Amino acid sequence: QQQVKQSPQSLIVQKGGISIINCAYENTAFDYFPWYQQFPGKGPALLIAIRPDVSEKKEGRFTISFNKSAKQFSLHIMDSQPGDSATYFCAAGGYQGGKLIFGQGTELSVKP
Amino acid sequence: DGGITQSPKYLFRKEGQNVTLSCEQNLNHDAMYWYRQDPGQGLRLIYYSQIVNDFQKGDIAEGYSVSREKKESFPLTVTSAQKNPTAFYLCASGSQNQPQHFGDGTRLSIL
Repeated sequence: QQQVKQSPQSLIVQKGGISIINCAYENTAFDYFPWYQQFPGKGPALLIAIRPDVSEKKEGRFTISFNKSAKQFSLHIMDSQPGDSATYFCAAGGYQGGKLIFGQGTELSVKP
Repeated sequence: DGGITQSPKYLFRKEGQNVTLSCEQNLNHDAMYWYRQDPGQGLRLIYYSQIVNDFQKGDIAEGYSVSREKKESFPLTVTSAQKNPTAFYLCASGSQNQPQHFGDGTRLSIL
């Protein structure tokens, strides 16, 4: 199975709040899970990525939580800022390269 | 600076016309990818190439064609057989143990 399911489709958060986006995958062969951030009119940019040998990875205000048994992973944005307003995509694939399967995207709006 | 260059930024297609989108990378990546982005549908893979002179169909290859004659270049042709070509097209490149990097896209519309 090759699907990656992402939720919610859209999210509104107040400045300073926590934004949480969830993804679920089906293929247990996946061993690389990146998150991309996309601003309007631009290509997606890699934000943070995790491999299944760890349950959490943190970079600044961004944290990925990974639950291998549930085949789920999530992005947490702490102290959300208006500049974080963008579309976020989760993806899954192989660490050795090759295709990535993308979720449907979450449009995040952080209100001042 | 290393990166991926897509051109043109905007493109208009007439009925029955083929159009070609350019993608060039100077990251020395082996693999290159073409995605189509429609509102609410995420990124869908059109074609990908892992080495020069070889490419594979993705999930939505019908109505599209590609070539990979050079490592740096992976042009996408949207043929007249693609009946709904209006979309944002994204090119990406990557290598073993390297994340995929994206260009800034080409927006294609029908005249």
